[in-house]
Amino acid sequence: DQQVKQNSPSLSVQEGRISILNCDYTNSMFDYFLWYKKYPAEGPTFLISISSIKDKNEDGRFTVFLNKSAKHLSLHIVPSQPGDSAVYFCAASAGQGYGGATNKLIFGTGTLLAVQP
Amino acid sequence: EAQVTQNPRYLITVTGKKLTVTCSQNMNHEYMSWYRQDPGLGLRQIYYSMNVEVTDKGDVPEGYKVSRKEKRNFPLILESPSPNQTSLYFCASSSTWTEKGAFFGQGTRLTVV
Repeated sequence: DQQVKQNSPSLSVQEGRISILNCDYTNSMFDYFLWYKKYPAEGPTFLISISSIKDKNEDGRFTVFLNKSAKHLSLHIVPSQPGDSAVYFCAASAGQGYGGATNKLIFGTGTLLAVQP
Repeated sequence: EAQVTQNPRYLITVTGKKLTVTCSQNMNHEYMSWYRQDPGLGLRQIYYSMNVEVTDKGDVPEGYKVSRKEKRNFPLILESPSPNQTSLYFCASSSTWTEKGAFFGQGTRLTVV
């Protein structure tokens, strides 16, 4: 039973355009959500997070949107750059409260983003 | 430099031969975890530890053991590896309250033949 779903295994975008990566979840107890980026032969690195008390969080070119009623979040990258090409994982945690203790994360299956020059 | 260090990076072993994958972090984090990454399944948590001598099962703990005798180290032990434990393993650490997520090691590619 996949509690966090990333239904698009891959996404190709032109450099300079917007990349939108989507993530759906089923567990209404999730209250903290994170996005990680992973390059080949490296571990995942934290990108951006959002608490369930917010519906948007922005950090430079990266914005995460949370729609709690739809149990859906998305990551927007604007403008996309070739260096953004990587696998992006959505992750969620439950019952940690605001502040985001991340001792137990449930991950999606990942989306491979390719940004074409 | 803040980091999580795993060793070895690559390992090929035979069924039933006990092995240990080490993990060490230099950030004085309370939480440490082990995940495995498999195609089509994402990352799944094996075990986690909230502090020294405090560990608990994650979602896929069968066939694994862990220990947390020191705050910085969290080894993963496979007492009798089997081919279905062939996977990419990641160790991660995080502080108690953070918006910054967990720090991950570079991964250990394990093949059990």
